Amino acid sequence: SQQGEEDPQALSIQEGENATMNCSYKTSINNLQWYRQNSGRGLVHLILIRSNEREKHSGRLRVTLDTSKKSSSLLITASRAADTASYFCALIMDSSYKLIFGSGTRLLVRP
Amino acid sequence: NAGVTQTPKFQVLKTGQSMTLQCAQDMNHEYMSWYRQDPGMGLRLIHYSVGAGITDQGEVPNGYNVSRSTTEDFPLRLLSAAPSQTSVYFCASNPFQGAQPQHFGDGTRLSIL
Repeated sequence: SQQGEEDPQALSIQEGENATMNCSYKTSINNLQWYRQNSGRGLVHLILIRSNEREKHSGRLRVTLDTSKKSSSLLITASRAADTASYFCALIMDSSYKLIFGSGTRLLVRP
Repeated sequence: NAGVTQTPKFQVLKTGQSMTLQCAQDMNHEYMSWYRQDPGMGLRLIHYSVGAGITDQGEVPNGYNVSRSTTEDFPLRLLSAAPSQTSVYFCASNPFQGAQPQHFGDGTRLSIL
C-alpha cells in the first residue's frame, strides 16, 4: 500500500502531557498533510508540510518530515481534553495529485 | 460561510435501491472529491474532479458514478446499493489539485440493508 501507516493506532495520555503520532510512507511525496477528526464530524486540516521542508509549527502543533526515512511526526504539546480526536496523515505523491490517507491515530486525553 | 455542504446526513437504503448523495461548495474550488470511511479506517478516494466537466476514478470507484456540471456541485450516485457500500461518505474541495488543504463536509452516514 502507498498510503501512510500511522503509529500508534491508539494513544491515551493525561491532560498536560505531550502526544506524538508518527506516519511512515513508501514512495516519494509532494507534500504531507495532517488532519483531525472529531467523533461524528468531517476532517479538519491542521498542517501541510512540503517535501523540501523539515519542520513546521502551528500553535501547540509541531510537524516534522524526514524524506530520507519516509516518515513524519505530529507532536501536540500540553494536551487538552479537547484534543481528543482521531488524527490522520495524508500524502500527495510526486506522481499524482490525489490525497491518500493513513488509517489514523485515535487520541484520548484524560482530564 | 457554508463551506462544503453534504445532504442527507443519514440515509437507510435497501439492497438494489439507487440514490444520490449531494455535495455543494461555495468557495469556488476547482478540485472536489468523494471519500468513504469504514469503521476504524482512514478515508479511501472514490472519485474526484479537477473542474466542471472533468471527473476521474480514485481507489474504490466500482458501484459509484459522479458528474460535475457546475463548479459548485459534485453529486455521487449509487446505482444499485449493496451492503458493502454501508459507510460514511465525505465530500471535500480545495482550490488547486492536491497541493492545498482540503475542506471537508460533515459526511453522510449510509446504511444498506
